[in-house]
Amino acid sequence: AQKVTQAQTEISVVEKEDVTLDCVYETRDTTYYLFWYKQPPSGELVFLIRRNSFDEQNEISGRYSWNFQKSTSSFNFTITASQVVDSAVYFCALSAYSGGYQKVTFGIGTKLQVIP
Amino acid sequence: DVKVTQSSRYLVKRTGEKVFLECVQDMDHENMFWYRQDPGLGLRLIYFSYDVKMKEKGDIPEGYSVSREKKERFSLILESASTNQTSMYLCASSFPPTRRRGSYEQYFGPGTRLTVT
Repeated sequence: AQKVTQAQTEISVVEKEDVTLDCVYETRDTTYYLFWYKQPPSGELVFLIRRNSFDEQNEISGRYSWNFQKSTSSFNFTITASQVVDSAVYFCALSAYSGGYQKVTFGIGTKLQVIP
Repeated sequence: DVKVTQSSRYLVKRTGEKVFLECVQDMDHENMFWYRQDPGLGLRLIYFSYDVKMKEKGDIPEGYSVSREKKERFSLILESASTNQTSMYLCASSFPPTRRRGSYEQYFGPGTRLTVT
């Protein structure tokens, strides 16, 4: 069984603050993939990043960065200098490949509100 | 750009009605998925399909069925709608996983907010 825990259900920050969204996962598979998605108020989930279990390099994309630590089963997401447009629900997801099928498990999401 | 469209953004149905939710994708994806999203529960997989006419149950298939007659179209059917099926329904599609590249990201539609009264 696989599980994704996003312990922070709601976070509020003031614009320009940095914010980190936590994601902790559980899986028995040795090969797995982690994702982050953003769901703005319009409702459509947007893919942000994919990371496989063999690549523990951190990644930075503009104001976004991701910290993958296999030792703590965490895949945290940091937004630097937050902006109002970052207000959304963010989902962490875990996928394991199993003979042609992929079972994707989502966390419950973290609602981020950036206050101007 | 990948485009996943859903037939309705908002839908109101009465208890006992048969409800069809349609989803169409234009990226030739083999895999298609139906989720429901409820506050505090995140996204839960109802059904997915890995090929035309093929389907697999997800985590919460009870009360739902699906149809995939064409590669680009995946329909979710509520045979007899009930109030506990009031929810946001999200359709998604992706390429199938491969041994070399593993799992692909999913592309989502805008969602259908269904209210059953």
